[in-house]
Amino acid sequence: RKEVEQDPGPFNVPEGATVAFNCTYSNSASQSFFWYRQDCRKEPKLLMSVYSSGNEDGRFTAQLNRASQYISLLIRDSKLSDSATYLCVVTPASGGSYIPTFGRGTSLIVHP
Amino acid sequence: DAGVIQSPRHEVTEMGQEVTLRCKPISGHDYLFWYRQTMMRGLELLIYFNNNVPIDDSGMPEDRFSAKMPNASFSTLKIQPSEPRDSAVYFCASSLGVGLATPDTQYFGPGTRLTVL
Repeated sequence: RKEVEQDPGPFNVPEGATVAFNCTYSNSASQSFFWYRQDCRKEPKLLMSVYSSGNEDGRFTAQLNRASQYISLLIRDSKLSDSATYLCVVTPASGGSYIPTFGRGTSLIVHP
Repeated sequence: DAGVIQSPRHEVTEMGQEVTLRCKPISGHDYLFWYRQTMMRGLELLIYFNNNVPIDDSGMPEDRFSAKMPNASFSTLKIQPSEPRDSAVYFCASSLGVGLATPDTQYFGPGTRLTVL
């Protein structure tokens, strides 16, 4: 099983739709979780952190389920500008070294 | 702040040549990361530094790859000799120390698109 897995998509949705992505991780000792957004031929940029209590930022909601070892990202009222690849990042606890592991990303296409 | 700066933005070279990629992290950040991104393997961490010291280089694919950080404001990733399978986008990222209010947030540079013919 890969350390961090995401459905590559693409998720093709109309403007205004609600879409959700999941990301599963294999290391139960993982400490930190994030969602990054990457536009075509650009660098990844932090979208939001994922806290145990959940995290909401405008139309975006991120949640963590430690029991089932996955994080989720919910996007409400999708905009054309939301079209991008969404990468989840998991940082496991590993002695004195921490290695952030990126998922392969989920592609979202929002169409008119 | 200008953000993380990488150079060159594009590099085309022939197999066997030496390639040097450069990175200037955000001032005050004490962690620096080098990543490689390909369609086949996604984003892979190659090596990271803390206060200019390499902490984990287990992601470096082989001895042809080396990275240095001579000071807090500059790092290089060198490939010698380069091979066609090294073709990828190489990202540098920096972050503040782990354990602060927003731990582990990484800020990426624009990347270097490397093509080895």
